[in-house]
Amino acid sequence: GAVVSQHPSRVICKSGTSVKIECRSLDFQATTMFWYRQFPKQSLMLMATSNEGSKATYEQGVEKDKFLINHASLTLSTLTVTSAHPEDSSFYICSARWAGNQPQHFGDGTRLSIL
Amino acid sequence: GQNIDQPTEMTATEGAIVQINCTYQTSGFNGLFWYQQHAGEAPTFLSYNVLDGLEEKGRFSSFLSRSKGYSYLLLKELQMKDSASYLCAVRKSNTGKLIFGQGTTLQVKP
Repeated sequence: GAVVSQHPSRVICKSGTSVKIECRSLDFQATTMFWYRQFPKQSLMLMATSNEGSKATYEQGVEKDKFLINHASLTLSTLTVTSAHPEDSSFYICSARWAGNQPQHFGDGTRLSIL
Repeated sequence: GQNIDQPTEMTATEGAIVQINCTYQTSGFNGLFWYQQHAGEAPTFLSYNVLDGLEEKGRFSSFLSRSKGYSYLLLKELQMKDSASYLCAVRKSNTGKLIFGQGTTLQVKP
């Protein structure tokens, strides 16, 4: 089946640090990748849609200058949490699909803890 | 807007059958997806329906009625490892986005 790799799996850092998370589709080309955030005991909330070669589309309430998304190739999208603060601590998950009607497949997630 | 409802928690017995319901109200529907998520892990894809009817995949089946805005996930021959959260998600036709319900936490007991 489709494999999506996400790295790193866990990050613990000080407030004010910028953190980059990578999402790679390993066995297919992903024209679209999605970034989600999940707080404890809550469901996944879509943050943004990342399209290869164009600007990401952000959901309402998500600061594009704080959560920088780059989708430079058909197999890689990155999310950078800039100047992270404790309230940004969460489980960040990416997903990818190779065609419009195919299911999204998720990476293993990144648990971000800001001290 | 959109609204997706599923029960918060369910309990079932090992070896039994359990049905997890999901109702939705949305514009631009293009499929309903079911994912399984174990605590601390990312979701894994289980099944999806675009057309009305039943889709069977081993111990898991999913049903969709678009006119009723209703789906269910059926788990047969429950195993302890099936204890997890089950997420119902609706795909929007214009954007391909998935909108997730709150998830149903299933506990399988011996």
